[in-house]
Amino acid sequence: ETGVTQTPRHLVMGMTNKKSLKCEQHLGHNAMYWYKQSAKKPLELMFVYNFKEQTENNSVPSRFSPECPNSSHLFLHLHTLQPEDSALYLCASSPGTANYGYTFGSGTRLTVV
Amino acid sequence: AQSVTQLDSQVPVFEEAPVELRCNYSSSVSVYLFWYVQYPNQGLQLLLKYLSGSTLVKGINGFEAEFNKSQTSFHLRKPSVHISDTAEYFCAVKPTGNQFYFGTGTSLTVIP
Repeated sequence: ETGVTQTPRHLVMGMTNKKSLKCEQHLGHNAMYWYKQSAKKPLELMFVYNFKEQTENNSVPSRFSPECPNSSHLFLHLHTLQPEDSALYLCASSPGTANYGYTFGSGTRLTVV
Repeated sequence: AQSVTQLDSQVPVFEEAPVELRCNYSSSVSVYLFWYVQYPNQGLQLLLKYLSGSTLVKGINGFEAEFNKSQTSFHLRKPSVHISDTAEYFCAVKPTGNQFYFGTGTSLTVIP
């Protein structure tokens, strides 16, 4: 356990479904992130939250909707996804957004059918 | 924007042999440099980082990396690998600001 917990570990959903990914950290970190990891591609930053405020949205399609109710929890709401959205979704946290390394969760393996 | 190049997508190496995983980045401005390891079905774990000071950085599990500013490189090395080092390794660069830039990863396979 790294201190960042992601649920579920695996998710299969149809293109018309609505689902949510959850990330939780109790490390006292103030910044949380969503990344998308696809095979043979660099990790893609999706969203950044710092002190619960979204500070970065990397041109992510609106079918992905993040939510950060407090500094310990981060959600990614999914709706009407496409098969190309199948990937490993990683949550990470850090003390701040400066020069810190991240602590990553184990990820949610998403398959869109 | 930054780009991070990991030249070798796959590196097979025999157990107890040395290994070097290469990483080059595009910008010559001040950056922070990181190596992460990802074991199967897990997230990324920080191996080591360079923020400032000595260009030779030591990390966990016997790994070390050397920052070379003139060559914009941050190669990862280990003098003697173990079976348990089999994993995916990612180099990452962080210029000033929020954004990390990751390479595409190098798959290290240690052969018994």
